Amino acid sequence: GAVVSQHPSWVICKSGTSVKIECRSLDFQATTMFWYRQFPKQSLMLMATSNEGSKATYEQGVEKDKFLINHASLTLSTLTVTSAHPEDSSFYICSASLAAEGNTIYFGEGSWLTVV
Amino acid sequence: GESVGLHLPTLSVQEGDNSIINCAYSNSASDYFIWYKQESGKGPQFIIDIRSNMDKRQGQRVTVLLNKTVKHLSLQIAATQPGDSAVYFCAENNNAGNMLTFGGGTRLMVKP
Repeated sequence: GAVVSQHPSWVICKSGTSVKIECRSLDFQATTMFWYRQFPKQSLMLMATSNEGSKATYEQGVEKDKFLINHASLTLSTLTVTSAHPEDSSFYICSASLAAEGNTIYFGEGSWLTVV
Repeated sequence: GESVGLHLPTLSVQEGDNSIINCAYSNSASDYFIWYKQESGKGPQFIIDIRSNMDKRQGQRVTVLLNKTVKHLSLQIAATQPGDSAVYFCAENNNAGNMLTFGGGTRLMVKP
């Protein structure tokens, strides 16, 4: 199957700093990518839909100025957590849809963010 | 400390037995459903999918059943193995640009 890669896998940052997480589709082009966050023992919650070359669409309750999403190319979307606080500590997961396979959605391995 | 949140239901089965994991979905307009497996600390892994024009689909050791009347989805795992231990999520495509909505998840524990 197709591969979606996230980087970094783990990151620890100080409160008040910003952290960027990258999501790459390694062997296909993805016009649409999705960002999720997952708290321990909970399900995935969609944060936003990232569209190549246009602004992301955020879900209700997600602060677009805090969670900046950029989808500058067909293989890369980035999520920047700005002015991070401990409550932003979570598991962030991206996914991308592969049109050639009937829009099957593939997930990255996730990125653990810990804000101290 | 750990966030207070929903504790996942747990299904405990003996190695070699069959497992059945259930999921209820909410959107009657959803036409595509997927089961994902998530191991600790990793992203979701695709297991099997089914479209709404089908009521059953089989893969290797796994079968997905769809009952649109009651909006219910199930995943059957035959001859469950220790490596099947993980959290299993169902997801539905709500026809809004391939966006997936996830169910709450079920933790499967396989006893040797």
